[in-house]
Amino acid sequence: SQKIEQNSEALNIQEGKTATLTCNYTNYSPAYLQWYRQDPGRGPVFLLLIRENEKEKRKERLKVTFDTTLKQSLFHITASQPADSATYLCAPQGSGTYKYIFGTGTRLKVLA
Amino acid sequence: DAMVIQNPRYQVTQFGKPVTLSCSQTLNHNVMYWYQQKSSQAPKLLFHYYDKDFNNEADTPDNFQSRRPNTSFCFLDIRSPGLGDAAMYLCATSRIDSLSYEQYFGPGTRLTVT
Repeated sequence: SQKIEQNSEALNIQEGKTATLTCNYTNYSPAYLQWYRQDPGRGPVFLLLIRENEKEKRKERLKVTFDTTLKQSLFHITASQPADSATYLCAPQGSGTYKYIFGTGTRLKVLA
Repeated sequence: DAMVIQNPRYQVTQFGKPVTLSCSQTLNHNVMYWYQQKSSQAPKLLFHYYDKDFNNEADTPDNFQSRRPNTSFCFLDIRSPGLGDAAMYLCATSRIDSLSYEQYFGPGTRLTVT
């Protein structure tokens, strides 16, 4: 069955450093992969989408890579700030479908 | 601002007592989703509507039903809530004729079963 894996352990980093979060998937060939941010007690918020034919996508301090050979996406936050502390979810999506399978998310804590 | 609204934000119900959660959207999106999310877990898709076409996930319990009377509104009915149904319920929308397929989520309804 399709499986999406993100680091279940929280990631603590110092303010100003780059945070790197990993999303691995198996038994799946997504055409798109999305990243969402979720704060406690709130719904996820869309951040970035990357397509299978794109290697990298950037938006302000965020960068996403997509390696279909490794079946992995990396999500980077550069110059991290305490306000970036949240849970980050990845959501691969197959071609021709509008359903998503979410990973369990990685909780990021940026220390001041 | 266009948005996804969920009511109530917090709902307490008794074991076995039917409960209805509501979702409305002003985005005019053609797809609406219901997810269940338990603590430290991924959002789990229960069902979705593409316009009026209802799509149930294979592992969604029969206890969960949904209605979409029009484009703007969608309801989640839990016919006989059990303790295991306590969770955050998230409504989301998506505009499938766009290229981005991003989902817009509501704030969620936290359901407690006593």
